[in-house]
Amino acid sequence: KAGVTQTPRYLIKTRGQQVTLSCSPISGHRSVSWYQQTPGQGLQFLFEYFSETQRNKGNFPGRFSGRQFSNSRSEMNVSTLELGDSALYLCASSSEGVREKLFFGSGTQLSVL
Amino acid sequence: QKEVEQDPGPLSVPEGAIVSLNCTYSNSAFQYFMWYRQYSRKGPELLMYTYSSGNKEDGRFTAQVDKSSKYISLFIRDSQPSDSATYLCAMRYGGATNKLIFGTGTLLAVQP
Repeated sequence: KAGVTQTPRYLIKTRGQQVTLSCSPISGHRSVSWYQQTPGQGLQFLFEYFSETQRNKGNFPGRFSGRQFSNSRSEMNVSTLELGDSALYLCASSSEGVREKLFFGSGTQLSVL
Repeated sequence: QKEVEQDPGPLSVPEGAIVSLNCTYSNSAFQYFMWYRQYSRKGPELLMYTYSSGNKEDGRFTAQVDKSSKYISLFIRDSQPSDSATYLCAMRYGGATNKLIFGTGTLLAVQP
């Protein structure tokens, strides 16, 4: 089975621009979560989608948004980029069920100049 | 105070040593406990997953959970240079959510 796939792998943007990141979950997985990883704050939860519905949201400003499509693929968008948005953005997927495990992709490394 | 505390290290050990990694947490509502390994420029890889107090063993890895003390540990036996990575503990509340709360990670270096 292929793992979680995230594209692009690296991205360089300038302040004020917007960016869209993509995530394809493991086949059969309907839950997708997004996390931001920075050296200072570590891994922080952004949001979670299940069957195209946002199920949970972390403590991030409204500039961060996401969505999930009917094939379970997910995108996250960051508008009006700030320097502090530079981070590794990680997507994780899991199958249905309360005790299911989360599997992460390799992430998208975003640099904001 | 953070919900999950983890010593960031770095921790350096010789090859073959037993490694002990630890996390403490403050919220007794956490029900699921995980250890992830993360190599540089890669996503976290799930190593161990438990949801009850006690020990769980998988090869050279043993995960230990003590809910009464709010303390979890990961032991690595016969450590190898390939074990050099950042180890992250993570926890999850019960209910229909996959939101994980992570520790800051411990950087481990196993010297050959």
